[in-house]
Amino acid sequence: GENVEQHPSTLSVQEGDSAVIKCTYSDSASNYFPWYKQELGKGPQLIIDIRSNVGEKKDQRIAVTLNKTAKHFSLHITETQPEDSAVYFCAASRGSGNTGKLIFGQGTTLQVKP
Amino acid sequence: NAGVTQTPKFRILKIGQSMTLQCAQDMNHNYMYWYRQDPGMGLKLIYYSVGAGITDKGEVPNGYNVSRSTTEDFPLRLELAAPSQTSVYFCASSQPWGTNEKLFFGSGTQLSVL
Repeated sequence: GENVEQHPSTLSVQEGDSAVIKCTYSDSASNYFPWYKQELGKGPQLIIDIRSNVGEKKDQRIAVTLNKTAKHFSLHITETQPEDSAVYFCAASRGSGNTGKLIFGQGTTLQVKP
Repeated sequence: NAGVTQTPKFRILKIGQSMTLQCAQDMNHNYMYWYRQDPGMGLKLIYYSVGAGITDKGEVPNGYNVSRSTTEDFPLRLELAAPSQTSVYFCASSQPWGTNEKLFFGSGTQLSVL
């Protein structure tokens, strides 16, 4: 089955710096890769996602890149702010009928220091 | 619009006790899911449902049961609770259409089995 590895487990950056979180997946049939942000005491929320027919996607300060050949994808956050502090999860699925049957990475705790 | 509502927020069980975690959504979503989140681990899918009367196992279904008698409700039943079921449980829902596969999560139930 699918396995998703996420690194690093913790990441501390200064406000204004960039943060990068990386994930690798094992199932070459996976074609949907979302990123979820979990704030303390809350459920995860989708912040960005990408499909296998796209190499990069941006949404303001957040971007995700996908390398299908190497089977890895990354989350990039630029100009980090204290409110970006949270746990971030990557995930993978085959999509299209397997919706919600996501395999999640272990999570990255991001701390943005003011 | 409440979204996904989970009750209770916290619960302590003794080994061997049973309980039901409640989940309700008011978005008329067909798909609903139960995940568990253990410290330092990603979310693991327990059970999911693609509509009323239809349920299926996820990655870690042992020790749990679900039912889906209505579109709105998706309760998770723990029979004979064990310490290994100590975790944070998240319910989620989605209504996939086109390229939209966003999951909406509840705020979680923290369960301790002692």
